[in-house]
Amino acid sequence: DQQVKQNSPSLSVQEGRISILNCDYTNSMFDYFLWYKKYPAEGPTFLISISSIKDKNEDGRFTVFLNKSAKHLSLHIVPSQPGDSAVYFCAASARGSGGGADGLTFGKGTHLIIQP
Amino acid sequence: ETGVTQSPTHLIKTRGQQVTLRCSSQSGHNTVSWYQQALGQGPQFIFQYYREEENGRGNFPPRFSGLQFPNYSSELNVNALELDDSALYLCASRGGLAGGNTGELFFGEGSRLTVL
Repeated sequence: DQQVKQNSPSLSVQEGRISILNCDYTNSMFDYFLWYKKYPAEGPTFLISISSIKDKNEDGRFTVFLNKSAKHLSLHIVPSQPGDSAVYFCAASARGSGGGADGLTFGKGTHLIIQP
Repeated sequence: ETGVTQSPTHLIKTRGQQVTLRCSSQSGHNTVSWYQQALGQGPQFIFQYYREEENGRGNFPPRFSGLQFPNYSSELNVNALELDDSALYLCASRGGLAGGNTGELFFGEGSRLTVL
């Protein structure tokens, strides 16, 4: 049973527009959520995170929104740039940013393609 | 400051064999964890090591084992390889206290294992 779901395997967005990546979770014990970005032949790279006590966190072009009642989070990228083309993984933890002894629970990822 | 490095990058084994994958943690990081990423899936937590002891484990059988050395480098050993063990194996390190809430994970590029 998948506890973290990314229902869109891929997303195509025009350069300069907003990219919105969605993630749903089922485990109410999750209290920390992260987004990782992965290029081919590289390991995942931490992008942005949010604690369950917040509903929004912003870092430059990247903003993550958390809706706890809906168990839903989204990553907004504005404006989208060609270098943003990558696979984006949503991850969740019941033990803080590193996952603690339970590790992080990842979704399957969304392949974002930024078109010129 | 060097990042997380893994070796080998690619390897091929046959069913029933044993494999050892290696990881050097990022400088100053005392906690290392291993993840398995099967094709089309997100990374799945295998286990975590802190101060040379396993202190967290995901849903993987005992034939998946590990070691952490005094210099915080780590090994993942898989015995009696099965076809389904074919995957990208990711090592990740972080600082902070084991089980604590600090420190995002920094991932290596991974070791791609193919089992024939």
